[in-house]
Amino acid sequence: GNSVTQMEGPVTLSEEAFLTINCTYTATGYPSLFWYVQYPGEGLQLLLKATKADDKGSNKGFEATYRKETTSFHLEKGSVQVSDSAVYFCALSTETSGSRLTFGEGTQLTVNP
Amino acid sequence: DGGITQSPKYLFRKEGQNVTLSCEQNLNHDAMYWYRQDPGQGLRLIYYSQIVNDFQKGDIAEGYSVSREKKESFPLTVTSAQKNPTAFYLCASSIDQGLGRDIQYFGAGTRLSVL
Repeated sequence: GNSVTQMEGPVTLSEEAFLTINCTYTATGYPSLFWYVQYPGEGLQLLLKATKADDKGSNKGFEATYRKETTSFHLEKGSVQVSDSAVYFCALSTETSGSRLTFGEGTQLTVNP
Repeated sequence: DGGITQSPKYLFRKEGQNVTLSCEQNLNHDAMYWYRQDPGQGLRLIYYSQIVNDFQKGDIAEGYSVSREKKESFPLTVTSAQKNPTAFYLCASSIDQGLGRDIQYFGAGTRLSVL
């Protein structure tokens, strides 16, 4: 079956620090990979995605590279801001799962001024 | 503006009561989903529907029911059989091209509590 494992949180950083949130996966078939973000009290919204090996998704200064050899899709940002405080979810879907997503547990990020 | 509307934002359920959570989308998406989110946990799929008048159970369907009579609407009923209903419920939709690359778009959620 499909599964996603994220680094445990919560993560607390100071403003302008470097961020990495680890995500590894197992999948039946060839997955597409996603990072979603959830701001307090809201639903999820797509942050970035990658659909094939070595693709790099990027948005709002966040980046993640699809690494097939290590089955990973780590999220990075060079300089975080207080406004980046949120919960980040790694997710995958495959051709066999169709549009169904498998989510990781989520990682709470708090950025202090 | 296109999007997904969930209502109500907050809902309280009495013992033995069924409650229905509304989800409406105007994105013309074929697929719709219901997730449950508990504190500190990821999202768990309750039900999903890929086409009108058809739906499938997800990972935690027991104690819940759905209908899909219209493309735009996918209401979720939390029945009295669901003994631990307190959670944040999220509705989502996607185009469903069947290639496993679809982006899901989420509503703002309904927080359900038991009185």
